[in-house]
Amino acid sequence: GQQLNQSPQSMFIQEGEDVSMNCTSSSIFNTWLWYKQDPGEGPVLLIALYKAGELTSNGRLTAQFGITRKDSFLNISASIPSDVGIYFCAYPSGGGKLIFGQGTELSVKP
Amino acid sequence: ETGVTQTPRHLVMGMTNKKSLKCEQHLGHNAMYWYKQSAKKPLELMFVYSLEERVENNSVPSRFSPECPNSSHLFLHLHTLQPEDSALYLCASSLHVGELFFGEGSRLTVL
Repeated sequence: GQQLNQSPQSMFIQEGEDVSMNCTSSSIFNTWLWYKQDPGEGPVLLIALYKAGELTSNGRLTAQFGITRKDSFLNISASIPSDVGIYFCAYPSGGGKLIFGQGTELSVKP
Repeated sequence: ETGVTQTPRHLVMGMTNKKSLKCEQHLGHNAMYWYKQSAKKPLELMFVYSLEERVENNSVPSRFSPECPNSSHLFLHLHTLQPEDSALYLCASSLHVGELFFGEGSRLTVL
């Protein structure tokens, strides 16, 4: 299967700062998904993107489906301590499979 | 609360033990999944069940044996595991492709 490359692998930021992370692939996708995993929990779907160039917001989170269809970006504005966790990008691989990137671990200092 | 419940949350077992992980979903979904999450690695898909039939077995060793008796329940039977099988095992369900709802996971430690 195709691999997703997420960067950065980890981030340490101050509360109130904006955050930006991205996910790239060597293949073209029709769907990009962003999940967040809180410590000790399972991943939760944040945003789903279905169209190249699409920009979708969910509160302070904004995600974009890259024009080339090979990348996606997730931005968090004015971070707060509860933003701590691991953020995963993912794509549906067919047959019900969802392939995940390796995650970006976010730490927020109050 | 995602509507997907996993038990137990934590399990410690020896290499010769037999144990089972249980997953239950109350969302009316028609597909259920087992994923393995090890430290510093992406989530790895293990098994997919759609309408109670296994549609995917992602080259998982036979010491892991899934069972899906109905669309709401999924089990992972564990037998003769190795220490490297220690990980967080996540169950998920879905109605539509891509929109997976995960349980909180079962943290497994094999001694």
